Amino acid sequence: QQPVQSPQAVILREGEDAVINCSSSKALYSVHWYRQKHGEAPVFLMILLKGGEQKGHEKISASFNEKKQQSSLYLTASQLSYSGTYFCGTETTDSWGKFQFGAGTQVVVTP
Amino acid sequence: EAGVTQFPSHSVIEKGQTVTLRCDPISGHDNLYWYRRVMGKEIKFLLHFVKESKQDESGMPNNRFLAERTGGTYSTLKVQPAELEDSGVYFCASSQTLAGGQQYFGPGTRLTVT
Repeated sequence: QQPVQSPQAVILREGEDAVINCSSSKALYSVHWYRQKHGEAPVFLMILLKGGEQKGHEKISASFNEKKQQSSLYLTASQLSYSGTYFCGTETTDSWGKFQFGAGTQVVVTP
Repeated sequence: EAGVTQFPSHSVIEKGQTVTLRCDPISGHDNLYWYRRVMGKEIKFLLHFVKESKQDESGMPNNRFLAERTGGTYSTLKVQPAELEDSGVYFCASSQTLAGGQQYFGPGTRLTVT
């Protein structure tokens, strides 16, 4: 079952913040976040493995609430290079290595 | 270290024809995955190899799709005969570890069936 991502799209001015959410109906072992630019392969951002864990990549951070079966990605002080489509990939406890990806959140950062 | 490579980068074929996509994973990665993204939709899992064995092929759409990984190195995904709805971008990914392991994606093969 695919995780649900929200919002579908967000337009930001450079320097603004945004939050992307990823929710699953199943118990999660891990959540992986990727960013894909048009015509390119998805680029790995981070993996979250434990409940409540937070990680960071530049000014992009994420949290994982194991109990709520959801993860949030925080784009802080966005830069033009943050534009792209963000996907969360979830791995459940009964399906190792098999990612289910959300539909993606398109992020556009404008000057 | 070389990343995951895929060939061709773009293939345009007519309905009914056959196409074979190739993926070379990162050397030493036992786990190899195929995904597909149809335009405007999410990336969908197709199948997972551990070495040369199919671990999970639950995402394969139908029997027109055949994946192989002889010798546990590169993998091929054959579509025969191709249909219009097979158009999309086919991604391959590989990982060293299974559970919780980072998957490294290839650049994808864009398949257009006309």
